[in-house]
Amino acid sequence: SFDLTQPPSVSVSPGQTASISCSGDKLGEIPVFWYQQKPGQSPLLVIFQDGKRPSGISERFSGSNSGNTATLTISKTQTMDEADYYCQAWDTNSAVFGGGTKLTVL
Amino acid sequence: QVQLVQSGAEVKKPGSSVKVSCKASGRTFGTYVISWVRQAPGQGFEWMGGSIPVSGPANYAQKFQGRLTFTADESSTSAYMELSSLTSDDTAVYYCTRDGGAEWGLDYWGQGTLVTVSP
Repeated sequence: SFDLTQPPSVSVSPGQTASISCSGDKLGEIPVFWYQQKPGQSPLLVIFQDGKRPSGISERFSGSNSGNTATLTISKTQTMDEADYYCQAWDTNSAVFGGGTKLTVL
Repeated sequence: QVQLVQSGAEVKKPGSSVKVSCKASGRTFGTYVISWVRQAPGQGFEWMGGSIPVSGPANYAQKFQGRLTFTADESSTSAYMELSSLTSDDTAVYYCTRDGGAEWGLDYWGQGTLVTVSP
């Protein structure tokens, strides 16, 4: 199986754009998914198939995936976006998760 | 509206087994894969495996082969995850998820079940 690497933490000022990376060997060749988890809550899918948003997810969330890196971008970041974010991909028939990135909005 | 409702918290002794239930509503049961993911305290996610309840073969992560079993009850639209030979390393929140695979991802999650393994 392959590994997905995320930065442990990212900080952003309110109203600015936050970018969270997820790196893996040839990651751009497979779809990537992103999940948001707030303290004490279940994860929420915010991006699927690299850059598509599920119904109900703010347009401020976007994603891209190319080469060895996928990126989750949150524009006009709000305090409500403060959470842990995890990338995920499929390796043959197994789901693999990145280690997670704590997004701090301050 | 898809909902996955899990059973309550459990405290188990080392060496014992735990069985967690996941009741699915909406057009999920028997149609989609239900996968199980766990999260140790303060840690990230670990995929355990999945299956289409009742009808599908189970796909277990290699790490859990031999001590993990998925079952289901069609009459109650519930999926079950049973993990045996528990150790303290199995202390975690266990989530069931609706698994849309590489097309849709893990698009619905249960509320989680805390399993604590303690002497």
